[in-house]
Amino acid sequence: RKEVEQDPGPFNVPEGATVAFNCTYSNSASQSFFWYRQDCRKEPKLLMSVYSSGNEDGRFTAQLNRASQYISLLIRDSKLSDSATYLCVVNPNTNAGKSTFGDGTTLTVKP
Amino acid sequence: SQTIHQWPATLVQPVGSPLSLECTVEGTSNPNLYWYRQAAGRGLQLLFYSVGIGQISSEVPQNLSASRPQDRQFILSSKKLLLSDSGFYLCAWSVLGTRAFFGQGTRLTVV
Repeated sequence: RKEVEQDPGPFNVPEGATVAFNCTYSNSASQSFFWYRQDCRKEPKLLMSVYSSGNEDGRFTAQLNRASQYISLLIRDSKLSDSATYLCVVNPNTNAGKSTFGDGTTLTVKP
Repeated sequence: SQTIHQWPATLVQPVGSPLSLECTVEGTSNPNLYWYRQAAGRGLQLLFYSVGIGQISSEVPQNLSASRPQDRQFILSSKKLLLSDSGFYLCAWSVLGTRAFFGQGTRLTVV
């Protein structure tokens, strides 16, 4: 089993749709969590951190469920520009550990 | 502010030739450093990570090696490239519990 697993893609949705991605992690001691966005042939860039109480940034909402060990990303009112691959990232609770990335979920928003 | 430099951006190398990719970080001390590879249409594969000078952890057996001669310098090398070494190589850094920052990546094509 992978340390971090994401919904298999691709997700193809029309503009204006609401779409949700899930990501599960196996290390219950994981400390911090993030969602990254990667455009084609570019490096991943931070989309948002995921806080224990859940957090929102405009059309994007991230949630953490420590009991079930998953994080989620909700995108409301999808735009064409949201088309990208979304990666979840899980960090350990010590500096000796490493960030672990999911394989990503590809989203295509169509007109 | 912190910055990460990775070069070159693209590289075409013949099979059997050596490889050296360099990554340097500015504006932070004692970062965790990472080398990832991404095949076309696939997720990020962690190749190496380092928590300090001379400390390298290898995630997968392969034709590559990594070195960290200075605190903020991370080098990815190969003595003889294989066709299967082609891919998008990304260097990244992070500090305890925080987000990872990526370089712009090197697109390597082995011919």
